[in-house]
Amino acid sequence: AQSVTQPDIHITVSEGASLELRCNYSYGATPYLFWYVQSPGQGLQLLLKYFSGDTLVQGIKGFEAEFKRSQSSFNLRKPSVHWSDAAEYFCAVGANTNAGKSTFGDGTTLTVKP
Amino acid sequence: DVKVTQSSRYLVKRTGEKVFLECVQDMDHENMFWYRQDPGLGLRLIYFSYDVKMKEKGDIPEGYSVSREKKERFSLILESASTNQTSMYLCASSLVAAPDTQYFGPGTRLTVL
Repeated sequence: AQSVTQPDIHITVSEGASLELRCNYSYGATPYLFWYVQSPGQGLQLLLKYFSGDTLVQGIKGFEAEFKRSQSSFNLRKPSVHWSDAAEYFCAVGANTNAGKSTFGDGTTLTVKP
Repeated sequence: DVKVTQSSRYLVKRTGEKVFLECVQDMDHENMFWYRQDPGLGLRLIYFSYDVKMKEKGDIPEGYSVSREKKERFSLILESASTNQTSMYLCASSLVAAPDTQYFGPGTRLTVL
């Protein structure tokens, strides 16, 4: 069975500082990996996804993530955080079945200090 | 852009009421999903549908049913609402060709009194 762990429930960074959100997954084959962002009161928006190929993936809003098979990780990074990045971030692993039953992590809440 | 809309952003119902949550997507996606989101528990899949009139149970289907009579619309039904069904409900859709790339609606925050 697939699973996702986001070790950090809550992270606080200063505006302009760099950010890294951790994600570890468990899956028997090559996973499909995703990062979503949820702003307060909103649904989830896809930031980026990894299916295959280059292990460094670029997404929207200046985010990137790196797939490391040896560490079973898919950490999300941003070099300089903006106040508008304050949100909840979810990592997900998919199986690319017809049904697309992705498994989501419990989320990491990002607070940005001015 | 894909648009997924949900009929209500906020809903307050009483215990025992029958509740309908509606979701509509405008991009001809085959797959549609209903999740509930609770603090500390992340997203949990209630039901999904991969075609009209087709449905499969997710991880927590108890107390819920679904209906998909048209491709663009997926309804979640709480036959007899209970207080432990107070939650945020999220609908999502995806293509069969890219099933795990899901597009989410804004969510419905349901309170059952």
